Order: sequence, then C-alpha cells, then structure tokens
Amino acid sequence: AQSVAQPEDQVNVAEGNPLTVKCTYSVSGNPYLFWYVQYPNRGLQFLLKYITGDNLVKGSYGFEAEFNKSQTSFHLKKPSALVSDSALYFCAVRDMYQGNFNKFYFGSGTKLNVKP
Amino acid sequence: GAGVSQTPSNKVTEKGKYVELRCDPISGHTALYWYRQSLGQGPEFLIYFQGTGAADDSGLPNDRFFAVRPEGSVSTLKIQRTERGDSAVYLCASSSSAAYNEQFFGPGTRLTVL
Repeated sequence: AQSVAQPEDQVNVAEGNPLTVKCTYSVSGNPYLFWYVQYPNRGLQFLLKYITGDNLVKGSYGFEAEFNKSQTSFHLKKPSALVSDSALYFCAVRDMYQGNFNKFYFGSGTKLNVKP
Repeated sequence: GAGVSQTPSNKVTEKGKYVELRCDPISGHTALYWYRQSLGQGPEFLIYFQGTGAADDSGLPNDRFFAVRPEGSVSTLKIQRTERGDSAVYLCASSSSAAYNEQFFGPGTRLTVL
C-alpha cells in the first residue's frame, strides 16, 4: 500500500540553526516526491520536488531535500532557520506504478516552530 | 496571475442538507484534484479529473459524494445528505497534465455540518 510517514508532529529549532523535517514513503513503483508548506488560513504552497536525477534538490526559500532510495526517505532541510519558516509542512508522494499514478499521498504534516 | 480559487470559503449547514463546493482552477490546467483535510491530518485524495472526465474517483468515501467538471475548467463537489463526519476543509488543486508537475492548491472551503 502507498503511504507517507512524517514521524514528528512537531519540530522545534532556534533561529539560525539548521532544521530537518523527516519524511519516509512506501510505493509500488518509482516515486515522485514533493514538499508543501501551509501557513494558517492559507492553501498549500509548493516548495520543491524530486522526479529524477540528482538526489539533492533545491527549492523555494532556501529549502532543500535529499532523496534516499535505500532508506525510502525524502527529508526536508534548511541550513539556517528563520522565524518566518514557522508553518505546517507536508510531504507528498506520487506512485508512478501503473494504476496508482493518479493520486498523491500526503503525510500527516509536521509543525515547524522556529524560536527567535 | 490568478491562482486556484474556491467558493465559499466557509460553509455551515445542517445535517441532512445538500451542499455544493466550487473550484476554479488555474487557466489552462487540465488536471484537477479534490482533497479532504481533517484537523491534524494531511490532505486525503477524493477525485481526479483530466479534462472533463473523472479519471479516478476511488477516493470518494461513499455515493453521497459526487463531483463534476462539465467544461473542463470549473469543478463542483456535491455532497448529499450531509453528516457531521463530513465536516472538514475541502481542498482543490490543479496542475498541467504532465505527471512530474506539482499541484497548485486553492485556499479551501471549510465545511461545518451541525
């Protein structure tokens, strides 16, 4: 079965420190992986994606993520956190196995709190 | 440019009533998705349109839920005989058709069934 796990409901980090938000996935075929951010009372905003190629992908607002096939992970990272990064982050996967690829599967979200 | 819009932003209804939720996707996007997001959860897939047709409706929870996209642009999610358990935020997203493309989400409609 297809699934996405975000093992941490909440991540707390001090401003200026590096941050990591974890995501692991389970699919039948090749994964297309995405990260979205959700601010209060706003829609989900796209941050970055992995489709193929270089395992390290860079996205908006200084975020990056590393695809690790052997660990089936796609952790979101940023070298230096900002208070304005505080939001809810969602990992999503599209399973490119035939019959599954119409759907996107989302994790339950991780709330990132960046303290000044 | 204009993003995905959804109306209404909030809808309060009584148990047993019928509701319609509207989604206006980004112009030119052929793919349209509906999701349901309950408190503390990620979006849950409901239905996917490619053009006018529902390519995958396997996420609709039961036959009280139905969605249409008659002209391949605006979509309406219809819920009959609403139940309190239908209360959630209903999200719409659109994308161009290529599988590697990300989705663009609307702000959602918060449905409350009393």
